[in-house]
Amino acid sequence: DAGVIQSPRHEVTEMGQEVTLRCKPISGHDYLFWYRQTMMRGLELLIYFNNNVPIDDSGMPEDRFSAKMPNASFSTLKIQPSEPRDSAVYFCASSPGLAGGRSQSDTQYFGPGTRLTVL
Amino acid sequence: GDSVTQMEGPVTLSEEAFLTINCTYTATGYPSLFWYVQYPGEGLQLLLKATKADDKGSNKGFEATYRKETTSFHLEKGSVQVSDSAVYFCALSDQGAQKLVFGQGTRLTINP
Repeated sequence: DAGVIQSPRHEVTEMGQEVTLRCKPISGHDYLFWYRQTMMRGLELLIYFNNNVPIDDSGMPEDRFSAKMPNASFSTLKIQPSEPRDSAVYFCASSPGLAGGRSQSDTQYFGPGTRLTVL
Repeated sequence: GDSVTQMEGPVTLSEEAFLTINCTYTATGYPSLFWYVQYPGEGLQLLLKATKADDKGSNKGFEATYRKETTSFHLEKGSVQVSDSAVYFCALSDQGAQKLVFGQGTRLTINP
């Protein structure tokens, strides 16, 4: 398997622009997670999905952030409008859930991340 | 709520030194415990895990034992290499949950 795929790997944009980050989870995984990593705040869970349905979005910073999962193989995280404080590395991760067997159900597999810089 | 506390870094060691990174947790149920590693410029990778008390997870010479009595999951390696330089994260997932609760991470640097 190719693992979790994220695009783009790097994004530089100007304040006020819309940014869309993309993620393809591992095939057969039932859960998808979006994280943000910064030096100041560490690793933060933004939102996660089960079978394409958002389960917990309590970590989404504000209304400027939105996430969708239109099908089992694709998810997007959108920031509109972007601000300099959104600069961070954004990770997508997936986990098999019970489909992976009890011993693997909660193991998360991370993508390489998207480094976002908002000028 | 659930939480994970790791020893603060950064940690700097010489090659072939013994490594311990402390991790303690607070959880209401019977969590699974994990160590993830993040190499420079990469995403997190699972290093090892343990799912019940007294289990020992091991991988690439690293070990950690699930200690329920002390609510700990310390990471150890007998002889570190320069290639072990990375950030190490301790994490838990509470019983039946899919969310991971991460510690703040410990940056490890190994000098030749």
